[in-house]
Amino acid sequence: GAGVSQSPRYKVAKRGQDVALRCDPISGHVSLFWYQQALGQGPEFLTYFQNEAQLDKSGLPSDRFFAERPEGSVSTLKIQRTQQEDSAVYLCASSPARGGTGELFFGEGSRLTVL
Amino acid sequence: QQQVKQSPQSLIVQKGGISIINCAYENTAFDYFPWYQQFPGKGPALLIAIRPDVSEKKEGRFTISFNKSAKQFSLHIMDSQPGDSATYFCAACGVASGNTPLVFGKGTRLSVIA
Repeated sequence: GAGVSQSPRYKVAKRGQDVALRCDPISGHVSLFWYQQALGQGPEFLTYFQNEAQLDKSGLPSDRFFAERPEGSVSTLKIQRTQQEDSAVYLCASSPARGGTGELFFGEGSRLTVL
Repeated sequence: QQQVKQSPQSLIVQKGGISIINCAYENTAFDYFPWYQQFPGKGPALLIAIRPDVSEKKEGRFTISFNKSAKQFSLHIMDSQPGDSATYFCAACGVASGNTPLVFGKGTRLSVIA
């Protein structure tokens, strides 16, 4: 399909391991967002890219979290030295519009469980 | 501090009834208010959205009512169906103020029973 694709769908990591989560946005979408969704909660903003530029990373919870989108398409969210509190679903969304206006198209998420 | 407060946390409605979910916000810079629907194991999907220049927007069985002075908005689902059973999130962001990121409420789990 032509939707937002995220991989892996499920990831189990031991505490202290590094993980990388991938997002393939809809082709041609300028904006890309990462959100964190804890169980039973709403999505919490992590970071925003416009093309390859990371314009807002105010939601990243610590310096263990790092995101990149080097060619303005695929994005990777990396979490170093994972902790149990990092367990959540990580959602990626893309949009043809700049900024948070207009419809965000979400992927199905990557569920991270840290043991 | 939660920027968008949503209630109720859960809601059970009879088939054919009206489902009502409420949201309140504090940031007066917010000027775009969407509602997202999420099924288990899926990402949220845009349902309907409103800007503050109108007080109501209707799309099919879904209506957003917006009260700018009270800083509140609500989603009404008419003739609720079992297929509407999902989690609903209100959200808000500021466009004119420089595109603040979309912030979400904590969600309302709706169950429509036959």
